[in-house]
Amino acid sequence: AQTVTQSQPEMSVQEAETVTLSCTYDTSESDYYLFWYKQPPSRQMILVIRQEAYKQQNATENRFSVNFQKAAKSFSLKISDSQLGDAAMYFCAYYNNNDMRFGAGTRLTVKP
Amino acid sequence: GAVVSQHPSRVICKSGTSVKIECRSLDFQATTMFWYRQFPKQSLMLMATSNEGSKATYEQGVEKDKFLINHASLTLSTLTVTSAHPEDSSFYICSAPGQPNSPLHFGNGTRLTVT
Repeated sequence: AQTVTQSQPEMSVQEAETVTLSCTYDTSESDYYLFWYKQPPSRQMILVIRQEAYKQQNATENRFSVNFQKAAKSFSLKISDSQLGDAAMYFCAYYNNNDMRFGAGTRLTVKP
Repeated sequence: GAVVSQHPSRVICKSGTSVKIECRSLDFQATTMFWYRQFPKQSLMLMATSNEGSKATYEQGVEKDKFLINHASLTLSTLTVTSAHPEDSSFYICSAPGQPNSPLHFGNGTRLTVT
């Protein structure tokens, strides 16, 4: 079974600074999708960014970007110019052929 | 954008009763829906995958007779927690892909409390 590992249970960043959340995964597949989801206290799951494994270019969405290293099976999320509203749980997820797996999550705190 | 409606958002029931949670895809057809359980401060644990018109696929360790899943139409999947016990109290959330391999669209979740 595919596994997703987030080794940072908690992270903290100063407002306006940059923070990187780590994620590694294990798979024998060559085509798959990777996602970062944000879960605020409301517990709603919000898609932050997605990456198709066949694309070499790293995905970016405004202040959010990823560093996708396919050979290393690494998929980190960089948040630039952190805002108070970025505080939440962040989950890394792997998806392939109706199989969706989540990492344990990283709780991000943003300090004013 | 694609929306998944999950109902109820909160439910309190007595031990021994059954509770049904509905998950509807509002503007797309969902041949597949995923059901997750989330304990406080933990990640989402996949319980089962429901497939329209066929039996659900349960993850190892999930009791299929305890958590009944029905996916009778392309827009509705239900999870019924049968003979609920306090240890079933949790946050349950459903999701569905809008298109094959597209980002999952999540319901807003159901907080179940069994007294």
